[in-house]
Amino acid sequence: KQEVTQIPAALSVPEGENLVLNCSFTDSAIYNLQWFRQDPGKGLTSLLLIQSSQREQTSGRLNASLDKSSGRSTLYIAASQPGDSATYLCAVRLWEGGSEKLVFGKGTKLTVNP
Amino acid sequence: AAGVIQSPRHLIKEKRETATLKCYPIPRHDTVYWYQQGPGQDPQFLISFYEKMQSDKGSIPDRFSAQQFSDYHSELNMSSLELGDSALYFCASSLGQTNLATNEKLFFGSGTQLSVL
Repeated sequence: KQEVTQIPAALSVPEGENLVLNCSFTDSAIYNLQWFRQDPGKGLTSLLLIQSSQREQTSGRLNASLDKSSGRSTLYIAASQPGDSATYLCAVRLWEGGSEKLVFGKGTKLTVNP
Repeated sequence: AAGVIQSPRHLIKEKRETATLKCYPIPRHDTVYWYQQGPGQDPQFLISFYEKMQSDKGSIPDRFSAQQFSDYHSELNMSSLELGDSALYFCASSLGQTNLATNEKLFFGSGTQLSVL
C-alpha cells in the first residue's frame, strides 16, 4: 500500500530564505505527483504537477523535482515571503486495487517570519 | 477562470441529523472526487465518480452516499450524523479518467466545514 511521508512536519524560517520541503513515497509506480498549498480552514490550491516521466517543474519561485526511482520529491521555494506561510501537501496519483487513487502526505506547515 | 464550487461553505448540524453537500466541478470536467479532512489530518478519500458512475470508493461510511448528476455536479448525502463526522469536506474535479496514466491536475474546491454538535 502506498504511503506518503513529508518531512519536516513543521518549518519556521526568516523571510528571504530559500527552503526545501521533502516528500517521499513507498511505491515508485506512480503516474504523477502534485504539490498543494493549504491555508488554515481553506481549500487545497494546486501548485505544481510533475508527470512520472518528468524530473522537475517550475512556476515562479517554486521548483518541484521528482526522483521516481528513489521515491522522492522536493519542493524548493526561493526567496520565501510571509505570504508563503501555509501547509504544503504532496500527493501521488497511482493505480491501486483496480482504480486510480490520490494518496496524500500529512503536510509540512511552513511559517515565514517577517 | 471558473473553479470548483462547493456549497454550503459552513454547515452546523445536530447529532443524528442529515446533511447534503454540493459540488460543482470546473466546466467540462467529468470526474469528481470527495475527500474528508479532520482537524490536523491529511485529506482522506471518500468516493469518486466518472461520467456519472461511481468509479472508486474509499473510507466512506455506509451512512454516507453520493451521486453525480447529468450536469456533472455531485452531492454527498450524510445521514445519522455523528460528532466524528465534523471535518472539512473537499470536492475535487479533473478532466477524464482512464485506466491508463491520468495526466490532468486535480482542482480542489474551498471545502465545506461541517460541524456536528
